[in-house]
Amino acid sequence: AQKITQTQPGMFVQEKEAVTLDCTYDTSDQSYGLFWYKQPSSGEMIFLIYQGSYDEQNATEGRYSLNFQKARKSANLVISASQLGDSAMYFCAMFLPSGTYKYIFGTGTRLKVLA
Amino acid sequence: NAGVTQTPKFQVLKTGQSMTLQCAQDMNHNSMYWYRQDPGMGLRLIYYSASEGTTDKGEVPNGYNVSRLNKREFSLRLESAAPSQTSVYFCASTAGGTYNSPLHFGNGTRLTVT
Repeated sequence: AQKITQTQPGMFVQEKEAVTLDCTYDTSDQSYGLFWYKQPSSGEMIFLIYQGSYDEQNATEGRYSLNFQKARKSANLVISASQLGDSAMYFCAMFLPSGTYKYIFGTGTRLKVLA
Repeated sequence: NAGVTQTPKFQVLKTGQSMTLQCAQDMNHNSMYWYRQDPGMGLRLIYYSASEGTTDKGEVPNGYNVSRLNKREFSLRLESAAPSQTSVYFCASTAGGTYNSPLHFGNGTRLTVT
């Protein structure tokens, strides 16, 4: 079955510390993309970072990095130097180009940054 | 840059009423999607359109219909609203076809069915 699992419903982190949000995926496809989105309390969905299944290096975008471990089928999001504005819901998603072009989302992790 | 525009932002319907959620994108994207978001369930795909002229069912299509009016616009219709359709609805688009194309989302429509 093709599935994204986010096992942490909620996380707390102290301001300026790093935090890792877990994401595991399940697919037998060789080609796929992994994405992270941020949803602040205002409700919009913001694209953060992308990792392709054939990418050998972990993706980085500013304070965001994606810890991609293909053999373990995990794609954890690391946020360095957390800021109060990082408090939000975070969704991991997978795109499978074979077949029907659907994106599959996890159930999300709510992150709260503490001052 | 407008990106993906959804209307309306909020809507309250009575059971049995119908309505259409509108979505338009100005990024010349091929693929468009409708998702619903419910607490604890992430985003679930209702319908999608891989390209102009095509539509396909997603995970939760029952009670909904869609129209890909042209390349820019993809509407979602509720023919007879039910309380179970109370949700936040997101439209999204992507250039499509490759696995490095992120979805670009609209700001969502919060629908309540009483």
